[in-house]
Order: sequence, then structure tokens, then C-alpha cells
Amino acid sequence: GAGVSQSPSNKVTEKGKDVELRCDPISGHTALYWYRQSLGQGLEFLIYFQGNSAPDKSGLPSDRFSAERTGGSVSTLTIQRTQQEDSAVYLCASSLWGGLSGYTFGSGTRLTVV
Amino acid sequence: QKEVEQNSGPLSVPEGAIASLNCTYSDRGSQSFFWYRQYSGKSPELIMFIYSNGDKEDGRFTAQLNKASQYVSLLIRDSQPSDSATYLCAVNRATGNQFYFGTGTSLTVIP
Repeated sequence: GAGVSQSPSNKVTEKGKDVELRCDPISGHTALYWYRQSLGQGLEFLIYFQGNSAPDKSGLPSDRFSAERTGGSVSTLTIQRTQQEDSAVYLCASSLWGGLSGYTFGSGTRLTVV
Repeated sequence: QKEVEQNSGPLSVPEGAIASLNCTYSDRGSQSFFWYRQYSGKSPELIMFIYSNGDKEDGRFTAQLNKASQYVSLLIRDSQPSDSATYLCAVNRATGNQFYFGTGTSLTVIP
């Protein structure tokens, strides 16, 4: 696609429920990144994919968080048993390999856990 | 020590002035450096990137890199109210790895 597409744009869920966030990167971008941004905070790295593999999962905050990428394209971030502290904007970005020209971000998914 | 540090601001400049945004990074081996602009409620958008020591100019924007001092800056000339946003500095330690972002500097350009 022309840009990085994320869905849903907004998600309100009850504490304890599971959620899935989707990211469709720019066509041809082999690298895909997930970040989250809490209100007034900086960007917190979650996970990075190169193709379908995830060389760096160091940012996932707990084992409730997981992500996968299939076909070198779409990625899904899953949060199990959501907690209120998971409320944030989840941003996906993609780049050509190496990210030498920077990332392109999607518009994000605003997750609210009530 | 944080990977990337920025003064959170807020920084206020009058319209037409030069805005200077600064960033320091901790890993001396970092290879590439980026400036993103983020409007309130929006996602970050890339403004500029720089790899080599010195200055890189693009329109009203100039990125400056000093690897010896581990310092990167962004100058915005002839600041406009539309430049009011949060500016994020990002550093890539090595090709193929994730970027480390600073917490951003909030800039307000006063008409």
C-alpha cells in the first residue's frame, strides 16, 4: 500500500480481555517495528521484524505481549489479559532493510483498557 | 543513562526566528540519526536524517551532527506557527537494528 496501515484506529476493551492490533506495512518494506506511546511519553520500542523473523523482542513488556508477521507483510500484535497500564497508542512503522532512510509510521491504534 | 536525551522544553520562539533543538546520545558507535516531527494526536513523520559529521540542509531545516561530542541538533530557520509540534530525535546504533527515540522537545512558534 501507499502508507503503513493500522487497524483498528481505536479500541476500547475491558480489563482481562485479549486484543489484536494489525499492521500492514508499505509494500516492499522488509523491516517492521512496533512501538507504543503513552500520553505525554516518548516512544517505547516493543519488537522488530526483519522479514518474518523477530531478531529483537527485547522491548515486549511481559509475556502477555506477542507478535507475529506472516508472508513478510502483515503483522499482528496480541495483548492477552489486558491491564489498564496497557492503555497507550500502539504505533507500527516500516522501512526498507536497515532503516537507513528512516521509518514510516502508521497512524496508530489507540488502546483504552477500562 | 538513557540512549537518547532531549530537553523536553517547552521551547517557545517568535515567528520568523531560528529554533534550535538539541539531542545527545550515549552509544558512541551509533551510525545514523533522525529527526521526526509529531503533531498532537498524530504519528511521527520523518523530517531529516544525517549520517556524517557536519551539516545537512533541507529547505528551512538543518541537521547538525558532531559524533565526537555525541550530539545532534536541528535548526529551523524562519520558524512558522505550523512548525509548532514535538520534535523527536532518533538514533540507530547499527544498520538493521531498532531506533532509539528521545522523549521529544515541544516547540511552540508564537505568531
